[in-house]
Amino acid sequence: EVQLQESGPGLVKPSQSLSLTCSVTGYSITSNYWGWIRKFPGNKMEWMGYISYSGSTSYNPSLKSRISITRDTSKNQFFLQLNSVTTEDTATYYCARNTGDYWGQGVMVTVSS
Amino acid sequence: QIMLTQQAESLWISPGERVSITCRASQSLLYTDGKHYLSWYQQRPGQTTKALIYHASVRTDGVPTRFIGSGSGTEFTLSIEHVQPEDFAIYYCLQTLKSPWTFGGGTKLELK
Repeated sequence: EVQLQESGPGLVKPSQSLSLTCSVTGYSITSNYWGWIRKFPGNKMEWMGYISYSGSTSYNPSLKSRISITRDTSKNQFFLQLNSVTTEDTATYYCARNTGDYWGQGVMVTVSS
Repeated sequence: QIMLTQQAESLWISPGERVSITCRASQSLLYTDGKHYLSWYQQRPGQTTKALIYHASVRTDGVPTRFIGSGSGTEFTLSIEHVQPEDFAIYYCLQTLKSPWTFGGGTKLELK
């Protein structure tokens, strides 16, 4: 069974970087596409970007200057880094197989001093 | 970017009733392969997000038959027949026709 699990700090200070890890079991990340999505307070959802089986990436233009998605194939993990965060980046962050059929439980991240 | 509008933020229904959730796109979601790139997802507290429908009307494996996706062009509907207690959740539509992928605002099914 394919399972995804997000991990990372739940609190980040404004202007710092948010870094999250998605650990995948039951399927190799060298196949398919793997993405990050976030859900803001109030339930708005935003697709942030993905990394492909080959390591290429695609990002939401609204985040393009701040976002980076990378991976470690040896650990079957992929990562989200979001720079220069503000309180507007407070959200629950999800990783998912980009086909949408498998999601992690989500990790809540608060940006606050 | 393509905007998706789910008109109803909340719908109040009783178990056993039928409900329809609509999603309107700012442009057609029909691709040259004849498929609509519109999918539906369910979020329940404490559960992983569940894919229900893809290509507007194709039920994901294991999804109960009471979930029905329909529509074309820019207008899509997720219908749930004989709503069960476990169906009270938030439902989102998602377009994957053009990057950036975009979600509807979500519709929460609430117990009347």
